[in-house]
Amino acid sequence: QKEVEQDPGPLSVPEGAIVSLNCTYSNSAFQYFMWYRQYSRKGPELLMYTYSSGNKEDGRFTAQVDKSSKYISLFIRDSQPSDSATYLCAMTSGTYKYIFGTGTRLKVLA
Amino acid sequence: DTGVSQDPRHKITKRGQNVTFRCDPISEHNRLYWYRQTLGQGPEFLTYFQNEAQLEKSRLLSDRFSAERPKGSFSTLEIQRTEQGDSAMYLCASTPRGGQSVDEQYFGPGTRLTVT
Repeated sequence: QKEVEQDPGPLSVPEGAIVSLNCTYSNSAFQYFMWYRQYSRKGPELLMYTYSSGNKEDGRFTAQVDKSSKYISLFIRDSQPSDSATYLCAMTSGTYKYIFGTGTRLKVLA
Repeated sequence: DTGVSQDPRHKITKRGQNVTFRCDPISEHNRLYWYRQTLGQGPEFLTYFQNEAQLEKSRLLSDRFSAERPKGSFSTLEIQRTEQGDSAMYLCASTPRGGQSVDEQYFGPGTRLTVT
């Protein structure tokens, strides 16, 4: 079993929809959680960074962490075609070693 | 601030050849990471530098791989006697000096290696 599981998709939604992306993990030591967006043939770009449990909002993006369920989510409101990309979750217990999910490919249809 | 840069962006080489990649982190970022990413997978940790010191190497980094960061600035990743299984995107990331307790990593655009 991988330490971090993420549905690879692809996930196709109409423009304006609310998108929900999720990761589950098995290592209870993870405390720091990140979401990255990666466009095709580009490096990942940091979107959200959260510590421990709770919610964090930034514009159209909301990150949620539920440590009791070992489950994290990223919500995108009013999705746009420009949001079409691969979304990677990443986490760490507090060391330099980050564990990434496989990424979920999202396509927002105009 | 121009971000993390990597060179070359693409490299095609024949099996058995040696290749070297370069990463220039954001200036004054003292921590630097190398990752490998294959199609449909997330980045996998390869190695980590704090200033010029290489503090950790993944077991993914066989003895054909070597990384350096002279003077704590740019870094190079060399692969000797390349194999077809080395074909991947090689990503570099850096984090700022004195950042939060857990670093926010800034990634470069990557070097895509194809071994024929």
